[in-house]
Amino acid sequence: GQQLNQSPQSMFIQEGEDVSMNCTSSSIFNTWLWYKQDPGEGPVLLIALYKAGELTSNGRLTAQFGITRKDSFLNISASIPSDVGIYFCAGPYNQGGKLIFGQGTELSVKP
Amino acid sequence: EAGVAQSPRYKIIEKRQSVAFWCNPISGHATLYWYQQILGQGPKLLIQFQNNGVVDDSQLPKDRFSAERLKGVDSTLKIQPAKLEDSAVYLCASSLEYSYRFSRLGGGKQETQYFGPGTRLLVL
Repeated sequence: GQQLNQSPQSMFIQEGEDVSMNCTSSSIFNTWLWYKQDPGEGPVLLIALYKAGELTSNGRLTAQFGITRKDSFLNISASIPSDVGIYFCAGPYNQGGKLIFGQGTELSVKP
Repeated sequence: EAGVAQSPRYKIIEKRQSVAFWCNPISGHATLYWYQQILGQGPKLLIQFQNNGVVDDSQLPKDRFSAERLKGVDSTLKIQPAKLEDSAVYLCASSLEYSYRFSRLGGGKQETQYFGPGTRLLVL
């Protein structure tokens, strides 16, 4: 079945550094979603991408919809301690809104 | 606006026991989802409701899991009997509707799914 592969699995960075993570699929997606999950909470939608090549920002976060439609990237600039959490990519694989999630990238930020 | 409510937040049971989780979606949201999130993995959809009807339950282990949304509002997910491998976080999410509206520009707007805080289940 369809799978989303995220890399890296975890990152340990210093406060103020920029972060990049990506998500790849063996099949084409028409929508890419990026969620963040804080410890003990449910995922929260950060950015949604709907067109190949699209670049969308949300504050210090920027995400890109890959041209091949098989990948997406998330960048965080000038990281701060509250960026700590697990970042998931997700995409719908049928017309019913069913989402498939990647396995997540866990981000740790050292003050 | 109140978010998705779930209870209990934590549950510890022994294998072969039964357990039930409750979810109250955001008011007005027609679609409700139950996800299972095993430690170190992303959420996996178990069942999707549109109002009180099941849209997708293809990944629900029906021999032991059941879910209902009788009045099209809140929902319960039950496991009977529980196994060790059912230890996970059970997330409920809701959205306005499930239809994925396509546009000529090459994509449609995915209705945002809003997640509750989850119920952490430990089966011993």
